[in-house]
Amino acid sequence: DIVMTQSPDSLAVSLGERATIKCKSSQSVLYSSNNNNYLGWYQQKPGQPPKLLIYWASTRESGVPDRFSGSGSGTDFTLTISSLQAEDVAVYYCQQYYSTPYTFGQGTKLEIK
Amino acid sequence: EVQLVESGGGLIQPGGSLRLSCAASGFSFSTYIMNWVRQAPGKGLEWISYISSSSTTIYYADSVKGRFTISRDNGKNSLYLQMNSLRDEDTAVYYCVRGSNSWDYWGQGTLVTVSS
Repeated sequence: DIVMTQSPDSLAVSLGERATIKCKSSQSVLYSSNNNNYLGWYQQKPGQPPKLLIYWASTRESGVPDRFSGSGSGTDFTLTISSLQAEDVAVYYCQQYYSTPYTFGQGTKLEIK
Repeated sequence: EVQLVESGGGLIQPGGSLRLSCAASGFSFSTYIMNWVRQAPGKGLEWISYISSSSTTIYYADSVKGRFTISRDNGKNSLYLQMNSLRDEDTAVYYCVRGSNSWDYWGQGTLVTVSS
């Protein structure tokens, strides 16, 4: 199984500042035949289902604000929120869909400082 | 508008069975891969099952293999999860999720509580 490890577990950032969340997979999720990283990022607010932010590691889902960006390849990935807004308070998860069992990181709780 | 609406959750005793349903609308259900993902109270996300658009390919997490069965009825735009031999650790919100390369739509979830 591919283990997904996020860091940090929790993060407090001031409004308007940058937030960075890391995700590391125990093996590469880069599929060489199409050069795609099978890695997604989700945002979950209390009482709501997860919302897709980023897929293919760096493709922003339609309607997601451009302050959210994803980067990385192979085993190391980053979700960046360029200028934190109050509505970004949530838990963020990375997920690999390279191979079953599809696995999620443990989550990173993002709060306002 | 894409909608996924789960139903069938509730309180069930250990060892019991439950069938979850997910009603899909607003998209061509028969052309999409579907998944079930669960989330125990206060915990993270756990993928539990995958079904291809034509039901020819099915996968399960080890934690539910042999106890849960995923199925779909493309004529009724519905996804199902038959859950047998339920355990305390199956207590969770169960989400149906569309997609394979981008898991772009999630239902609101249905709560399953396994307790005596």
